Amino acid sequence: EVQLVESGGGLVQPGRSLRLSCTASGFTFGDYAMSWFRQAPGKGLEWVGFIRNKAYGGTIEYAASVKGRFTISRDDSKSIAYLQMNSLKTEDTAVYYCTRALAGYGGVWGKGTTVTVSS
Amino acid sequence: EIVLTQSPATLSLSPGERATLSCRASQSVSSYLAWYQQKPGQAPRLLIYDASNRATGIPARFSGSGSETDFTLTISSLEPEDFAVYYCQQRNNWPLTFGGGTKVEIK
Repeated sequence: EVQLVESGGGLVQPGRSLRLSCTASGFTFGDYAMSWFRQAPGKGLEWVGFIRNKAYGGTIEYAASVKGRFTISRDDSKSIAYLQMNSLKTEDTAVYYCTRALAGYGGVWGKGTTVTVSS
Repeated sequence: EIVLTQSPATLSLSPGERATLSCRASQSVSSYLAWYQQKPGQAPRLLIYDASNRATGIPARFSGSGSETDFTLTISSLEPEDFAVYYCQQRNNWPLTFGGGTKVEIK
């Protein structure tokens, strides 16, 4: 069964950092691109970033709202994708979802992890 | 950035009725549009990708159509489990963008 499990969320003060992990199982992780999305409380969905697999250069795209602050990476040997979040702002408060990409879509979703940025 | 506008914001229908949801793009996205379903407290689920292709395991009562700037998600006969929020998303251009959602509620 294909499964994605996000971890690393929590309460953090503005300006601090947090690293989210997405542990994958049930498929060959290195064959797929991965995407991160988020959803602020009571709001709609927002795309955060996308990392291609090595066959497509492993290149990365970011939303403008996080570019320069967030970094996506992957460790294919461990089947884990990461979202390093620096200089966090209150507006980054959201549930963060990891997805196995289907082209540019979220094909398979994890259950999400909650990040709260507050003093 | 491509803006996706979904209408209506809320659709009040009874089980067994047909639901028609609209998504309009501010510029052409070709056929690169998806639809998701999200229930309270759950992650979204991909229903339709590239405008008209059902994702794995999605029932045939869900169908998608459209191209360029105008897209439609149709649920042919609403089941109780279909009452949820539906989002469209385009992948034609970076950044990937979503519509604001349509809530399908029980009348």
